[in-house]
Amino acid sequence: DTAVSQTPKYLVTQMGNDKSIKCEQNLGHDTMYWYKQDSKKFLKIMFSYNNKELIINETVPNRFSPKSPDKAHLNLHINSLELGDSAVYFCASSPIGGGWSTDTQYFGPGTRLTVL
Amino acid sequence: GENVEQHPSTLSVQEGDSAVIKCTYSDSASNYFPWYKQELGKGPQLIIDIRSNVGEKKDQRIAVTLNKTAKHFSLHITETQPEDSAVYFCAASTFGGGNDMRFGAGTRLTVKP
Repeated sequence: DTAVSQTPKYLVTQMGNDKSIKCEQNLGHDTMYWYKQDSKKFLKIMFSYNNKELIINETVPNRFSPKSPDKAHLNLHINSLELGDSAVYFCASSPIGGGWSTDTQYFGPGTRLTVL
Repeated sequence: GENVEQHPSTLSVQEGDSAVIKCTYSDSASNYFPWYKQELGKGPQLIIDIRSNVGEKKDQRIAVTLNKTAKHFSLHITETQPEDSAVYFCAASTFGGGNDMRFGAGTRLTVKP
């Protein structure tokens, strides 16, 4: 299936731990994103990567670090987890590169992170 | 930067009625306006989008209108069905600039059978 996939779907961990969320897209897209969705459903962009280059970092704490081993993957590493990091994290991708069809973002199923 | 406001935050309609969700944006440079539907436990899925060179777009029971002068756009769902119940998000970005996409706060639509 062509899609954006994330693992794990659920992640429960203790404060202070370090964890990673993986994202893969097989759509051949050029740009990948990480979003955070809080308990009120507000979607906020965290990072954007275009061809393995970080494009934006929306004032996210440096405990969060995206890692892109190749164009199809954008993983999210979180160090020293805090209670406020509990949220649903979505990966997305889009075919940025020119033309009218390049703006649409396709989202993964989300990873629900719970920090205890 | 872009600021997108979405209203209402919750909307309840009877099956068969129409539902309208409205969004306003602040950046006049924005020219791409997608709408996403998020069902429980899933990621947002694109349902329709519109670009600044058109004022209206329709896809079966779903339509979107755009007023560039007033900087607002709306989602219209006709003949609503229980499966339309979900959270709907509007968003705005500049052409070729998915990096600057900003989402509205979402509208929880409930369609009562």
